[in-house]
Amino acid sequence: GQSLEQPSEVTAVEGAIVQINCTYQTSGFYGLSWYQQHDGGAPTFLSYNALDGLEETGRFSSFLSRSDSYGYLLLQELQMKDSASYFCAVRDETGGFKTIFGAGTRLFVKA
Amino acid sequence: ETGVTQTPRHLVMGMTNKKSLKCEQHLGHNAMYWYKQSAKKPLELMFVYSLEERVENNSVPSRFSPECPNSSHLFLHLHTLQPEDSALYLCASSPGTGSYGYTFGSGTRLTVV
Repeated sequence: GQSLEQPSEVTAVEGAIVQINCTYQTSGFYGLSWYQQHDGGAPTFLSYNALDGLEETGRFSSFLSRSDSYGYLLLQELQMKDSASYFCAVRDETGGFKTIFGAGTRLFVKA
Repeated sequence: ETGVTQTPRHLVMGMTNKKSLKCEQHLGHNAMYWYKQSAKKPLELMFVYSLEERVENNSVPSRFSPECPNSSHLFLHLHTLQPEDSALYLCASSPGTGSYGYTFGSGTRLTVV
């Protein structure tokens, strides 16, 4: 079957760095995306990796290793407003249109 | 506001009711999607429309019926639902089906009683 695995919950302190991992098992692969969703809000697109390596966007970075079927989202200088759920998603080229999502990681940022 | 607007935000319906969810985007996107989000589960793709044509029906029961009258509007018609259909229904759009970044609406929280 096709699946994405990520931790269900992560807790970190304000100002710290946190890494949210994602491993995937899909029949096709066309890139790994990350989304943020606050309670009651819409999932918001954060980043996309199609090639191996690190992509940096401000306080957020995303990494991909295709050989390991693994990626992570790195959040630096954590702020209280970063408390949210974070989803990894893989674009599965099989069928052409499917993006498969993980179940999400709930991040709690403490003062 | 994300640019994708969903109405209503909350909906409670009986199992014999008929209701519709509405999604609207004015981002100029050509692809629109319906996803189901249940607690602690991955988002489940339901339907994909590209230029108003349905290109994906992900084995969704017939009690869910999508409609895309134009590239800006997407509906999900509901009838004779079951309690297990209670979930958050998310609409998303993207420039094309080949795009990797989706713009989501805030969803409709559906409760079937």
